Amino acid sequence: EADIYQTPRYLVIGTGKKITLECSQTMGHDKMYWYQQDPGMELHLIHYSYGVNSTEKGDLSSESTVSRIRTEHFPLTLESARPSHTSQYLCASSESLSWTQYFGPGTRLLVL
Amino acid sequence: QQQVKQSPQSLIVQKGGISIINCAYENTAFDYFPWYQQFPGKGPALLIAIRPDVSEKKEGRFTISFNKSAKQFSLHIMDSQPGDSATYFCAASTMETSGSRLTFGEGTQLTVNP
Repeated sequence: EADIYQTPRYLVIGTGKKITLECSQTMGHDKMYWYQQDPGMELHLIHYSYGVNSTEKGDLSSESTVSRIRTEHFPLTLESARPSHTSQYLCASSESLSWTQYFGPGTRLLVL
Repeated sequence: QQQVKQSPQSLIVQKGGISIINCAYENTAFDYFPWYQQFPGKGPALLIAIRPDVSEKKEGRFTISFNKSAKQFSLHIMDSQPGDSATYFCAASTMETSGSRLTFGEGTQLTVNP
């Protein structure tokens, strides 16, 4: 069982609000990732980090931003939420040079 | 550009039957091919994975078959059970200097009827 946590699990918010999705892992993994997944659809990598103070954009363009100040924490922020941001956001982590990514339970975001 | 194509989109199998899900990839640099299983309300979890130096890997009822020349790989679930009902994602990755990045297929929703 992977120790990776995401909060909140569900979020309903109005257009224009600033939101931060939290992701934490207790496994000491260097690598962390954010994926966006629409219901029943594939996962798209939107951000990743290979260590503290390292962040990169993923394959899918996203208006969100991320930070990695501590190894265990990788929050994702949307400065001004829009209905097009409605989706599920999944956080994952992995050890250095490991193939296996461990996923959190996800945050379902609904922007009205 | 979809680098990993997965089929079928949905699959219904009777209990005890064989479930087969197929994936095809384009990037010949991919060298790691995992399958993830996702239950509703949960994040994906690694089910089984294969490297291209072998043609088959079996773990319990789950088998990956890999065809490097055809750039295809498939998941076979033997003796399918209702508890196997979930969404299955194939993925592919290259091991970059600092770690791996996964490219996922579109997913297959498997339903196993009792």
